[in-house]
Amino acid sequence: AQSVTQPDIHITVSEGASLELRCNYSYGATPYLFWYVQSPGQGLQLLLKYFSGDTLVQGIKGFEAEFKRSQSSFNLRKPSVHWSDAAEYFCLGAGGTSYGKLTFGQGTILTVHP
Amino acid sequence: GAVVSQHPSWVICKSGTSVKIECRSLDFQATTMFWYRQFPKQSLMLMATSNEGSKATYEQGVEKDKFLINHASLTLSTLTVTSAHPEDSSFYICSASLGGETQYFGPGTRLLVL
Repeated sequence: AQSVTQPDIHITVSEGASLELRCNYSYGATPYLFWYVQSPGQGLQLLLKYFSGDTLVQGIKGFEAEFKRSQSSFNLRKPSVHWSDAAEYFCLGAGGTSYGKLTFGQGTILTVHP
Repeated sequence: GAVVSQHPSWVICKSGTSVKIECRSLDFQATTMFWYRQFPKQSLMLMATSNEGSKATYEQGVEKDKFLINHASLTLSTLTVTSAHPEDSSFYICSASLGGETQYFGPGTRLLVL
């Protein structure tokens, strides 16, 4: 079955520290992969996406993600976290029988300490 | 660009009443719109997919007579929760697609049924 897994429910980092949010996928073929961020009271905002090509994807707000086929992973990274990055992050996948249908990971809540 | 709005942003209603939620793509024509539901501390679950002018496709376990979806135009889809009950209280989010794989999400509607 197609699935997207975010192993970490909650991560806490200090402001200025580096960040890596994990995402693993299970699809028969290479899926389309996305990272979205949901801030309190706001909708989901697309950070970046991977369809094909260069496996290192640059997104908005200084985020990047690397697609690793061998590890079935699409981890989100940021070299230096800002307090405004505190939010919930979702990894999404689309593929298999329907590339228009998204599968959500469970979400990772990021807390940033000053 | 690619802004999606939802109205209302929150609604409180009595048990047994029906509630309509609107999803609009403000600056683009959406060939497909999606409706999701998010329970507290859980990820988003796809409820249904709707294409303009045709019947919505509901996910397994979602009652089509309970959650009526109308996609009357390329910029508007509505979700009506009929005869709402407290267990229908949730956060409902819509998204719209330009026809590709990227979905643009609305800010969500929080429904509380008393």
